[in-house]
Amino acid sequence: QVQLVQSGAEVKKPGASVKVSCKASGYTFTGFYIHWVRQAPGQGLEWLGRINPNSGDTNFAQKFQGRVTMTRDTSISTAYMELSRLRSDDTAVYYCATLELLPVFDFWGQGTQVTVSS
Amino acid sequence: EIVLTQSPGTLSLSPGERATLSCRASQSVSSRYLNWYQQKPGQAPRLLIYGASNRATGIPDRFSGSGSGTDFTLTINRLEPEDFVVYYCQHYGSSYRTFGQGTKVEIK
Repeated sequence: QVQLVQSGAEVKKPGASVKVSCKASGYTFTGFYIHWVRQAPGQGLEWLGRINPNSGDTNFAQKFQGRVTMTRDTSISTAYMELSRLRSDDTAVYYCATLELLPVFDFWGQGTQVTVSS
Repeated sequence: EIVLTQSPGTLSLSPGERATLSCRASQSVSSRYLNWYQQKPGQAPRLLIYGASNRATGIPDRFSGSGSGTDFTLTINRLEPEDFVVYYCQHYGSSYRTFGQGTKVEIK
């Protein structure tokens, strides 16, 4: 079965960086984009960007341009999202997901809590 | 980038009633690329409806979607206790995704 398993919770200080991993299994990792979505406490869903695991090409939401990096290691079917210059309002649960429709292929990781606090 | 606005923010209903949730896009979108998600507390979102009106695998038929252009609707017939959670619409863009701000369906 398809699974996306994310790394554990992180606590960071303002100005630091965080790197979250997402290990895929149960399907061909290079066949579908990996997207990253976050959810601040009590708030809605916010799309950060996506990576093509095959080519490494990325697309980011304008809000995060210059602050987010997405990479992948195809040898271990793992995608990474790194967010730099962290602020307190980056405190959120970060999800990786496939979010594809053609064909329908919509799977989510369990989420990673990132807390930014001095 | 298309902005999605959901209404109402909160919908207060009783079990067994019908819920009607709205999602309005800032410009016309293809219905093929408008989706609905359900999110229960402490869980990742789950795809409910894709292409505006197609139920995802395993979704009960009390959930239905409709709409076109800029106006889309999620209808939940005969609300069950487990349906009182949060719903998001989503636009599937060519190289991005956007979500509405969500509608919470709560027990009246």
